[in-house]
Amino acid sequence: AQSVTQLDSHVSVSEGTPVLLRCNYSSSYSPSLFWYVQHPNKGLQLLLKYTSAATLVKGINGFEAEFKKSETSFHLTKPSAHMSDAAEYFCVVSTNAGKSTFGDGTTLTVKP
Amino acid sequence: DAGVIQSPRHEVTEMGQEVTLRCKPISGHDYLFWYRQTMMRGLELLIYFNNNVPIDDSGMPEDRFSAKMPNASFSTLKIQPSEPRDSAVYFCASSLGGAGGSSYNEQFFGPGTRLTVL
Repeated sequence: AQSVTQLDSHVSVSEGTPVLLRCNYSSSYSPSLFWYVQHPNKGLQLLLKYTSAATLVKGINGFEAEFKKSETSFHLTKPSAHMSDAAEYFCVVSTNAGKSTFGDGTTLTVKP
Repeated sequence: DAGVIQSPRHEVTEMGQEVTLRCKPISGHDYLFWYRQTMMRGLELLIYFNNNVPIDDSGMPEDRFSAKMPNASFSTLKIQPSEPRDSAVYFCASSLGGAGGSSYNEQFFGPGTRLTVL
């Protein structure tokens, strides 16, 4: 069994300040973990993924996430928010069985 | 590669009508997923296929919904009869699965079909 919990449904930051979107997971197997972003009226796009290689994963648009097995966390960060980062973000856990479990999503608002 | 292709992009229909949504996965991918997204319920997995065979359809809301995958390059999601509460954005996604491998399980999403049932 696997599950994922996004700890914040909404996060609001000012442009130029750091972003932290939190995600905890549980999995019976060594999981793959992903962050997807969805801009308004668009499909989901992969930001980054962890697949048992380096624990610090760098993605597109300056985002990165750190896999912490001891804390079962995979938090998404970005040093400096941009207005274009405003979107909904989904944390996803997946096993080799092919099925993925999506979190409920975190809506990121960026204030000017 | 053109990515996952969905059609139509928008569909407006009246209650009671049959609706068919179509999806072409990325060539070579062996998993195909259908999702529904609404404001109230967020993103829900409806059904997924592996090698054209339905693996888990526990997310299909009721018998009005059915999905098929007659071959590796095509899948349909049918709603018959449609109801206003079916209004949502329906996404199709595909992935390359398997036992391990750093590139497996990443899902590629189509642009979605926005369905409105009046």
